[in-house]
Amino acid sequence: QVQLQESGPGLVKPSETLSLTCTVSGGSINSRSHYWGWIRQAPGKGLEWIGSIFYSGTTSYNPSLKSRVTISVDTSTNQFSLRLKSVTAADTAVYYCARHEGNGDFFDYWGQGTLVTVSS
Amino acid sequence: QSALTQPASVSGSPGQSITIACTGTSSDVGGYNYVSWYQQHSGKAPKLMIYDVTNRPSGVSDRFSGSKSGNTASLTISGLQAEDEAHYYCSSYSTNSVLFGGGTKLTVL
Repeated sequence: QVQLQESGPGLVKPSETLSLTCTVSGGSINSRSHYWGWIRQAPGKGLEWIGSIFYSGTTSYNPSLKSRVTISVDTSTNQFSLRLKSVTAADTAVYYCARHEGNGDFFDYWGQGTLVTVSS
Repeated sequence: QSALTQPASVSGSPGQSITIACTGTSSDVGGYNYVSWYQQHSGKAPKLMIYDVTNRPSGVSDRFSGSKSGNTASLTISGLQAEDEAHYYCSSYSTNSVLFGGGTKLTVL
């Protein structure tokens, strides 16, 4: 059973960089069938895809966030990470990591989510 | 890119059937058979209920079914149960991107 767990600071100051890591267990991040993605959900709002990465480092990003987002992968630790720069209050959300079938298909395994608040 | 369009809310009585529509364009829902549906209970992570328009993951009740016609996908829940009360989100592939719907709150009366 694949499990994902997000980790990182729960509070980030405006204009700084949000950094989160997702640790994958019960399966290898080196899968040739899956991408690994980040999705966020602002309080009381819907889901928003941030971006996804393949074990080789190939990425795809939401065009609306692309200029501020970097997703990276570390196959030696079975982890992938999210960096979102120049954050504002609008970036306050629960951030989920998830396993992504192919590049654009469904998300079948999700982390529990972590709330990141942007505030001074 | 715009989010997919879903009704904000639907409701039904136990035992009844409901359908949630998800409307996109020919560049997403209508162009690919990569539509999925997620159930989210309050404070929990989303759970995959339907993938590739019509397929159910192992362990998901056969009361849940999906379909698509043109640019609109639909999720149908038959034999409504109290535990089905949750938010439901559709999602679709769209050229090197992923779109989600705004979500639909299902209330079981």
